[in-house]
Amino acid sequence: DSGVTQTPKHLITATGQRVTLRCSPRSGDLSVYWYQQSLDQGLQFLIQYYNGEERAKGNILERFSAQQFPDLHSELNLSSLELGDSALYFCASSALLAPSHEQFFGPGTRLTVL
Amino acid sequence: AQSVTQLDSQVPVFEEAPVELRCNYSSSVSVYLFWYVQYPNQGLQLLLKYLSGSTLVKGINGFEAEFNKSQTSFHLRKPSVHISDTAEYFCAVRTQGTDKLIFGTGTRLQVFP
Repeated sequence: DSGVTQTPKHLITATGQRVTLRCSPRSGDLSVYWYQQSLDQGLQFLIQYYNGEERAKGNILERFSAQQFPDLHSELNLSSLELGDSALYFCASSALLAPSHEQFFGPGTRLTVL
Repeated sequence: AQSVTQLDSQVPVFEEAPVELRCNYSSSVSVYLFWYVQYPNQGLQLLLKYLSGSTLVKGINGFEAEFNKSQTSFHLRKPSVHISDTAEYFCAVRTQGTDKLIFGTGTRLQVFP
């Protein structure tokens, strides 16, 4: 158990809908990362927040957005869903920004868009 | 731009045999290198990391990796595998000045009895 929790574990929805994925980082970790794992794109970095502020952006679609709240939990919002958004979405957290600080991954949320 | 190449998508091996999972990276700046393992229906777990210093890095579960700067490689090895090592293994790179991980496409290690 990494200490990172993600809810829900599974999500099935229809095209055009909007969903919210939630992540609680390890206690004390200030940085949260979102990654998408799909069969065709592999594991890709989406976005990073540090202490409530957006720090880095990767291959995140405009239909997707995220935020980190004062209690440090984070939410990833996916809207106007398409079939191709079906994937496993991972959240990771780390204590600080130094490279030696390991990123701890949650168990993921499996999103299926029908 | 940085990239990571895992040359083998699948590696079948018998129990107690040695294994090497290959990883090459491309970067114009200094990098930090990682190997993660993903067991079925689970998240990613860090096996080992190279930040600096000794090029031979030892990790959990008997795995080790060697950083070779001239060949831009970071191959993962284990002298004797177990059935329980069956999983997906990901090589990842982080460049200096950034926090995001760039992952390879993964190698599925299948250990047979």
